[in-house]
Amino acid sequence: DAGVIQSPRHEVTEMGQEVTLRCKPISGHNSLFWYRQTMMRGLELLIYFNNNVPIDDSGMPEDRFSAKMPNASFSTLKIQPSEPRDSAVYFCASTKRAGSTDTQYFGPGTRLTVL
Amino acid sequence: DQQVKQNSPSLSVQEGRISILNCDYTNSMFDYFLWYKKYPAEGPTFLISISSIKDKNEDGRFTVFLNKSAKHLSLHIVPSQPGDSAVYFCAASPTNSGGSNYKLTFGKGTLLTVNP
Repeated sequence: DAGVIQSPRHEVTEMGQEVTLRCKPISGHNSLFWYRQTMMRGLELLIYFNNNVPIDDSGMPEDRFSAKMPNASFSTLKIQPSEPRDSAVYFCASTKRAGSTDTQYFGPGTRLTVL
Repeated sequence: DQQVKQNSPSLSVQEGRISILNCDYTNSMFDYFLWYKKYPAEGPTFLISISSIKDKNEDGRFTVFLNKSAKHLSLHIVPSQPGDSAVYFCAASPTNSGGSNYKLTFGKGTLLTVNP
């Protein structure tokens, strides 16, 4: 079974540009998460979808960040406009359901560098 | 304000010996705790978990201990193997009103190096 797939694996862009990160969750999983990892803040939850609906976006840092899940097999995280402080590794994770003990399976991450 | 703290950024042990990784938390609402392992250029992978109703959970070479009164948990790896060399993240979550533990708060990780 394929795991969580993220693209691109690396992205380098210039300040002010729009960046779109993509995620394909594990087939059959109903919940999807976007995380960001930085040296300063560690790994932090940005947004959580259940059955394609955003349930908790309290971790989204500001309006420049937006996430969508148009169907059960695809999600995007968009940053517009990007800033150097957005440089981080962005992980997508999925789980069958956000139940009490369901394991979150992480993708390999997208390393974003904003110059 | 860090709610989950891993105070040791790194730990080095000899192959065959015990590795003990520590984690402290401050939020008394946390009742479910996990350890994830991460290799370079990969995402974190789940290792072991423990609910607050227990004080110990064991899975093969890995054992997690929970001390609720001290708000402290630890991961023991016995015996340690070179393939265990990775970054280990402690994570914690509360159970929400719907019975879900989705909201994980992670520590910053401890880099474990197991020397042959």
